[in-house]
Amino acid sequence: DAGVTQSPTHLIKTRGQQVTLRCSPKSGHDTVSWYQQALGQGPQFIFQYYEEEERQRGNFPDRFSGHQFPNYSSELNVNALLLGDSALYLCASSLAPGGYSSYEQYFGPGTRLTVT
Amino acid sequence: AQSVTQPDIHITVSEGASLELRCNYSYGATPYLFWYVQSPGQGLQLLLKYFSGDTLVQGIKGFEAEFKRSQSSFNLRKPSVHWSDAAEYFCAATPSGSARQLTFGSGTQLTVLP
Repeated sequence: DAGVTQSPTHLIKTRGQQVTLRCSPKSGHDTVSWYQQALGQGPQFIFQYYEEEERQRGNFPDRFSGHQFPNYSSELNVNALLLGDSALYLCASSLAPGGYSSYEQYFGPGTRLTVT
Repeated sequence: AQSVTQPDIHITVSEGASLELRCNYSYGATPYLFWYVQSPGQGLQLLLKYFSGDTLVQGIKGFEAEFKRSQSSFNLRKPSVHWSDAAEYFCAATPSGSARQLTFGSGTQLTVLP
């Protein structure tokens, strides 16, 4: 049973550039959430996708955008990168809304983004 | 504002000793509660969850947590710690009925001494 996968593992970008991170959910899951984890902090919610639409969004600027594909995989795009965007970006998947189990989120290993 | 607080930034215990990691939440209504563990360079692994009912919940790797509504707490415990338990532990919460947006505490780093 494949878990949540993310690519790439590491990424180095320059300020002002754009980046795309990718996520494939756990088998059987159709909801994908993205989190940003700065060094020494807990993850912060960016947004959540279900049925190819953004359903909820955290307190992040419009430079952060996403997409979900028909196969439930997802992308996180960040434009005009800032030094402060350096972080571990985590993808989590869960079941469709309905029942307690839909609240269980399973995380991938993350993508470490460094902005120089 | 909704928040999760982990008062202890770093805890050190000896192998074989018991462990308790503290977590407090501030929500209008009782949220759903979770504990995750993160090893260096890895993602988060779900240890256990609380939705309702029995206030003592069992998880993986021998961990348990107790929900106390009167104290707005959801503390993680383990009777005997193993060296492999050294990691960072995060408490998280989401309001019931929401779209499942998790709010995390700032984490507790656990060091295990031989």
